[in-house]
Amino acid sequence: EVQLLQSGGLLGQPAGPVKVSCAASGFDFRSYAMAWVRQTPGKGLEWISTISGRGDVSYYADSLRGRFTISRDTSNNTVHLQIWSLRAEDTGIYYCARGFPTWFGEARPFDSWGPGTLVTVSS
Amino acid sequence: SYVLTQPPSVSVAPGQTATITCGANNIESLSVHWYQQKPGQAPVLVVNDDSDRPSGIPERFSGSISRNTATLTIASIEAVDEADYYCQVWRSDSRQYVFGTGTKVSV
Repeated sequence: EVQLLQSGGLLGQPAGPVKVSCAASGFDFRSYAMAWVRQTPGKGLEWISTISGRGDVSYYADSLRGRFTISRDTSNNTVHLQIWSLRAEDTGIYYCARGFPTWFGEARPFDSWGPGTLVTVSS
Repeated sequence: SYVLTQPPSVSVAPGQTATITCGANNIESLSVHWYQQKPGQAPVLVVNDDSDRPSGIPERFSGSISRNTATLTIASIEAVDEADYYCQVWRSDSRQYVFGTGTKVSV
């Protein structure tokens, strides 16, 4: 069974950094891309970033490029999202999701999702 | 940027059919996926690749696509189907994943 476990709620200072993590199990981690999607209060889903299964290719939303860094650690099957220069509008729930398998193209859906991590930006 | 436009809300009586549209230029050339999100929960994939249903998704969920419009249909709708629904595509030209604006379905 695919499982994606996420870290608990995080508090970040305006202009500071925060790192969100997701631990995967139940599938061959290196064979799947992983993604981050967020949902800010009262808003819809917003794709942030995807990293390929081998970790050699990363994609970022044009509107968010520059303040987010995605990474993955195959030694412990985790994927991370580093957010830099936090802003109040970054407050929201951050979901990790399983993306496309290495033997398919990027058009595959996000077929499994983590429970989400609430990131709060406040001084 | 590429925008997927959905109606903000749809209201349907129990047992009737809900139709949710997702409109965008030339969407029929893309693979469209649909997600259901209930309050306080993570999204769940209910239709992939325009019209396929993942394992465990009830048969009352179906998808279709036509010129400039993808459609999610929920037949014989039940109270448990009350949720927000989002369409989603991958744009290879811009290397971007795009979500629709979302539709709140009330039963």
